[in-house]
Amino acid sequence: GENVEQHPSTLSVQEGDSAVIKCTYSDSASNYFPWYKQELGKGPQLIIDIRSNVGEKKDQRIAVTLNKTAKHFSLHITETQPEDSAVYFCAARPTDSWGKLQFGAGTQVVVTP
Amino acid sequence: NAGVMQNPRHLVRRRGQEARLRCSPMKGHSHVYWYRQLPEEGLKFMVYLQKENIIDESGMPKERFSAEFPKEGPSILRIQQVVRGDSAAYFCASSGNEQYFGPGTRLTVT
Repeated sequence: GENVEQHPSTLSVQEGDSAVIKCTYSDSASNYFPWYKQELGKGPQLIIDIRSNVGEKKDQRIAVTLNKTAKHFSLHITETQPEDSAVYFCAARPTDSWGKLQFGAGTQVVVTP
Repeated sequence: NAGVMQNPRHLVRRRGQEARLRCSPMKGHSHVYWYRQLPEEGLKFMVYLQKENIIDESGMPKERFSAEFPKEGPSILRIQQVVRGDSAAYFCASSGNEQYFGPGTRLTVT
């Protein structure tokens, strides 16, 4: 089955700096890679996703890159703000259109003013 | 546009009691997933259901746990004879092509 590893486990950045979170996956059949943001006491919120036919996707201050050959994908947050502080999870899903997500262990991001 | 709804938000049960967690998917979604999150940990898949069918239950413990998604009404995750180790946040997600999560039910077993 799929195994997703996520690094770092904690990330502290100054407001205005960039944050990068990296994930690797094991199943070469995986073709869908979402990122979720989870604030304390809340459910995970989908913030961006990428499919295997695309190498990069951007949405305002958030971007995701995918390297299928190396089986890794990354989340980039630019111009970080205090409200970006949360736990971020990457996930991967195999070829079938429906089905379970395999999650990374999460990254606690703290943005200090 | 209502999102995924879960209730109750918080549930306290004594050891040996039953816990019932409910999930109503987003309008138009017929695929429901349940995940469990232990404190300070990531989300672990439990079960994937469509209306009246269990598609994948590979993450469900073999005993005490069951799930259903009837033709009418919400999906229900049932935990019988709860133990302290069942204390966790249980999240439901529904999809479309993307999975959207509900706010979760935080189960505490005393």
